[in-house]
Amino acid sequence: DAGITQSPRHKVTETGTPVTLRCHQTENHRYMYWYRQDPGHGLRLIHYSYGVKDTDKGEVSDGYSVSRSKTEDFLLTLESATSSQTSVYFCAISDGGVGTDTQYFGPGTRLTVL
Amino acid sequence: GQQVMQIPQYQHVQEGEDFTTYCNSSTTLSNIQWYKQRPGGHPVFLIQLVKSGEVKKQKRLTFQFGEAKKNSSLHITATQTTDVGTYFCIKSNFGNEKLTFGTGTRLTIIP
Repeated sequence: DAGITQSPRHKVTETGTPVTLRCHQTENHRYMYWYRQDPGHGLRLIHYSYGVKDTDKGEVSDGYSVSRSKTEDFLLTLESATSSQTSVYFCAISDGGVGTDTQYFGPGTRLTVL
Repeated sequence: GQQVMQIPQYQHVQEGEDFTTYCNSSTTLSNIQWYKQRPGGHPVFLIQLVKSGEVKKQKRLTFQFGEAKKNSSLHITATQTTDVGTYFCIKSNFGNEKLTFGTGTRLTIIP
């Protein structure tokens, strides 16, 4: 597996609290992605980054923000968590352009918002 | 973004039987990728198809890209218990950097 870690791996939080998920890579890949996975919806892209400080929205970006200050780290922030954001969150990386290269996924973070 | 429907959503097969999942698009694709996710795991890359009519094989797995580059299939011959999981396609369109995941086909093997 590619060198991708996600932290925390599990988190339970309350509605209205801020939450930050971290994705860390050791592969020096240019592109990083955040997905959420929900039953019946498969994987949906939240945000992605194509370089340091360069990010763009995905399919389900409302309620989420991201930051990438270093090549190796991509942070996903829920400013005020809601129960609808209960999900499994996956980070992925790729070396080539979006949609043109293999994506390597992290182990996932299971987030529960009560 | 519009999700890609894969069919079937669920498939239960007897061990040793064949299995096929399909990924369809209404628009022409630049390429398509297939991933497998084991229960409780993360998606793992299987293959990428780029050329019209392309066929690629990985042991018992055969991947096909349609002539019109609007659909793709994954066929597994003589399934084994290790094939259990959800198979996803990811499509990308020309000039569109947004990826679209298929909803996945969950394969269950009956021993």
